[in-house]
Amino acid sequence: DVKVTQSSRYLVKRTGEKVFLECVQDMDHENMFWYRQDPGLGLRLIYFSYDVKMKEKGDIPEGYSVSREKKERFSLILESASTNQTSMYLCASSPTGLAGAKNIQYFGAGTRLSVL
Amino acid sequence: DAKTTQPPSMDCAEGRAANLPCNHSTISGNEYVYWYRQIHSQGPQYIIHGLKNNETNEMASLIITEDRKSSTLILPHATLRDTAVYYCIVRSQGGKLIFGQGTELSVKP
Repeated sequence: DVKVTQSSRYLVKRTGEKVFLECVQDMDHENMFWYRQDPGLGLRLIYFSYDVKMKEKGDIPEGYSVSREKKERFSLILESASTNQTSMYLCASSPTGLAGAKNIQYFGAGTRLSVL
Repeated sequence: DAKTTQPPSMDCAEGRAANLPCNHSTISGNEYVYWYRQIHSQGPQYIIHGLKNNETNEMASLIITEDRKSSTLILPHATLRDTAVYYCIVRSQGGKLIFGQGTELSVKP
């Protein structure tokens, strides 16, 4: 089974802190994604990566950055956490290129981040 | 990107078939329909996908209308563990998954 592991299920941080959310997948997938999920807004794509050291902005990249130094690991960074970044963060990976027809994304369990 | 419309909530009796509709009237010819579900406090889980033909796997069946403007996900014998939010997603060639609000399915004993 594909496994996508997020480093923390729950995280509490202070405003202004630098926050790292880590995601690791064990299936050698090329593509990795970071979403945030908020009530009433659904899932929104923050950043994605289709190869090591490659990254693309999603719909809401402001206030975030990402790092992909190894194929299996995709990190989301909040440079200076703010209260409006309190959310559920979901990492996903998929095995084919973005133009592929069968591009199924496998999700981690999520990290619920609270910024106080 | 094609948009989908789903009812916000549905109920289903345990052991009965759950039929979840989705409207995607603006779908283009090369866009697939994907279904995911999200059980409370977990990440979304892939269920099934299709382009034109009906599809079936161990989890569900997907019925796509001939004009491709709508589809129905069928859980043939719903259990309490199928209680979740179900998302119908149409993927563009850009490869991005666009999640709507989904349908909250409650399976009741």
